[in-house]
Amino acid sequence: VIWMTQSPSLLSASTGDRVTISCRMSQGISSYLAWYQQKPGKAPELLIYAASTLQSGVPSRFSGSGSGTDFTLTISCLQSEDFATYYCQQYYSFPPLFGQGTKVEIK
Amino acid sequence: QVTLRESGPALVKPTQTLTLTCTFSGFSLSTSGMCVSWIRQPPGKALEWLALIDWDDDKYYSTSLKTRLTISKDTSKNQVVLTMTNMDPVDTATYYCARIQRGSGWHPFDYWGQGTLVTVSS
Repeated sequence: VIWMTQSPSLLSASTGDRVTISCRMSQGISSYLAWYQQKPGKAPELLIYAASTLQSGVPSRFSGSGSGTDFTLTISCLQSEDFATYYCQQYYSFPPLFGQGTKVEIK
Repeated sequence: QVTLRESGPALVKPTQTLTLTCTFSGFSLSTSGMCVSWIRQPPGKALEWLALIDWDDDKYYSTSLKTRLTISKDTSKNQVVLTMTNMDPVDTATYYCARIQRGSGWHPFDYWGQGTLVTVSS
């Protein structure tokens, strides 16, 4: 079983900030990593897959990087609508696992 | 346009069996590579994968919950049903169904239902 560590669990930031969220795997998963955004009371939405490919319609201020065991989600210029919780998810092997989430809150 | 929608009881009593239905459109579960999964999220907590059924009727379950879960599909109705036995208050969560595809490997969950909150309480 692959273990995942997502950090930080809480991130306080201001509009316009550049923020990064990390996801570390216990073993290599190539680029089989996705990032989701979840707003309160809503279902998660796929943001990035294959570690760095933006899902259709996702703003270019979102980017993903990494391969193997270390991955990063970056929001280059935080907008008000980006305050949400973000999850990483590995789909390299079964079962699919989610990180513990990072809540991005207004500073 | 792909859509999924969960339905089922909002409240169940401890020890009862929960039955949830995912009704979807915009794709067919008889198409090679198509799968539907169930994922839950306790209030304020992270996402937890529960079960998956694929186009070939292969079924996969969370190791920790496999004795309590059953997933099935009705391709003609575009529905996937999840049953969970012996419900406990710790099973209180929002339950989501989501589409996932499988080719040479797995893909991410690309479409999700809006979720249904299930509360377990006497």
